[in-house]
Amino acid sequence: GAGVSQTPSNKVTEKGKYVELRCDPISGHTALYWYRQSLGQGPEFLIYFQGTGAADDSGLPNDRFFAVRPEGSVSTLKIQRTERGDSAVYLCASSPQGADTDTQYFGPGTRLTVL
Amino acid sequence: QKEVEQDPGPLSVPEGAIVSLNCTYSNSAFQYFMWYRQYSRKGPELLMYTYSSGNKEDGRFTAQVDKSSKYISLFIRDSQPSDSATYLCAMTGRTGGYQKVTFGTGTKLQVIP
Repeated sequence: GAGVSQTPSNKVTEKGKYVELRCDPISGHTALYWYRQSLGQGPEFLIYFQGTGAADDSGLPNDRFFAVRPEGSVSTLKIQRTERGDSAVYLCASSPQGADTDTQYFGPGTRLTVL
Repeated sequence: QKEVEQDPGPLSVPEGAIVSLNCTYSNSAFQYFMWYRQYSRKGPELLMYTYSSGNKEDGRFTAQVDKSSKYISLFIRDSQPSDSATYLCAMTGRTGGYQKVTFGTGTKLQVIP
C-alpha cells in the first residue's frame, strides 16, 4: 500500500520568504508527527497531531513555524520569514494511533534550502 | 550534554563482519528504545523496538538494552553491502499515548564487498 508522501521533495527559497510543506500520511493513521533533520544530525521532534488537533507543539523552534491538519489527514507545515538556519530536511511520520508502542512510518522528507 | 549520544562514524567494515553500534543516554524517563535505518535521501525505517533491558533478536539483527548503564547496542551479523546506511538510535518515555522520540545523531555504516 501507499506509504507517507511528502511534497515537494525539494524546495529552494530566498531568505524572508514563506514556504509550505505538505505531508500525506498513511490512510487511516490518526497520529502524525513532523521532525526536522539538519545535516549530520538525527531528526528532531517538532509537533504531534492526534486527529485534527496539535497535541504537542513543544518542538517548534519559534512562532515562525506553524502546522495544521484541518481534516485529520493531510498536514501542512508553514514557515514564515524563512532564515538560512531553517535549511534542513523536514520529515513527516504517521502511526496508527499514536500509542507508546506504535511504529512511526516516515516519509522521504522535503529538503528545504534557504538562500 | 545531549540526552542521547551516538558516535557519528563513519564506520567501514568488510562484508561478513559483525557490526556493533552503540548509544548512551542520560534521561532515566526513556522507556522505549528503537533502532532506525536511514538510506541516503530517504526517511528513517524502523528496524528494532524494545522496551525492556536484555536482548531482542530479529534475523541478523540483535538489539541490546542495559537500562542500569543507560546504554543500548545494535549488532549486525554477517553484514552485507545492502546494510550500508545511517543507523539512528531512538528512544521515548511514557508521554501518555504518543511517541515523542529523541534520536541520536546517527552512525554512518559502510560495508565493503
